[in-house]
Amino acid sequence: EDQVTQSPEALRLQEGESSSLNCSYTVSGLRGLFWYRQDPGKGPEFLFTLYSAGEEKEKERLKATLTKKESFLHITAPKPEDSATYLCAVQAWGSGGYNKLIFGAGTRLAVHP
Amino acid sequence: GAVVSQHPSWVICKSGTSVKIECRSLDFQATTMFWYRQFPKQSLMLMATSNEGSKATYEQGVEKDKFLINHASLTLSTLTVTSAHPEDSSFYICSASEAGGEETQYFGPGTRLLVL
Repeated sequence: EDQVTQSPEALRLQEGESSSLNCSYTVSGLRGLFWYRQDPGKGPEFLFTLYSAGEEKEKERLKATLTKKESFLHITAPKPEDSATYLCAVQAWGSGGYNKLIFGAGTRLAVHP
Repeated sequence: GAVVSQHPSWVICKSGTSVKIECRSLDFQATTMFWYRQFPKQSLMLMATSNEGSKATYEQGVEKDKFLINHASLTLSTLTVTSAHPEDSSFYICSASEAGGEETQYFGPGTRLLVL
């Protein structure tokens, strides 16, 4: 069964304190791995898509990496406005012909000044 | 680009009434749209997948007669919660992926439903 596990469940950082969020996955055939940011009461905002092991993508203070079993979202020198829930999702081959996503439970990040 | 809207953003209704939620892709054509629900402090749970012009595919445990989905055009999908009950109160979020584009799903802002 395809599964996505994110850790930690919650993370509290001081402004400027870099850290990483983990997303481990078990999937029959990875079609793509997605990172989203979700603010309270809002829909998820797309951040990155990774397709193959070794791939990396960056956007401002965020950098996503992918291996065959997990993905990391690295946050460098975070600011309070980076506080949000970060969601990881995988898309598997053979998912009925549609690009269905399987989401992890998310990591709630709080960055304090 | 890749903007998805939902309407209404919140709705309060009495038990037994039906509620319709609209999901629109504003600047792209969406072959496929998805409907999720999210309970407080939980992740997104896929309810159904809809393709323009065809019947929706529902996830296991989701009642198709209760949650009616229509995807009448490449920019509009609707979710109707029929005979809503308090346990249907939740945050409903739609997403859309671009026809002929990458597999990325772009999400709407969500609709909060409260059934009294």
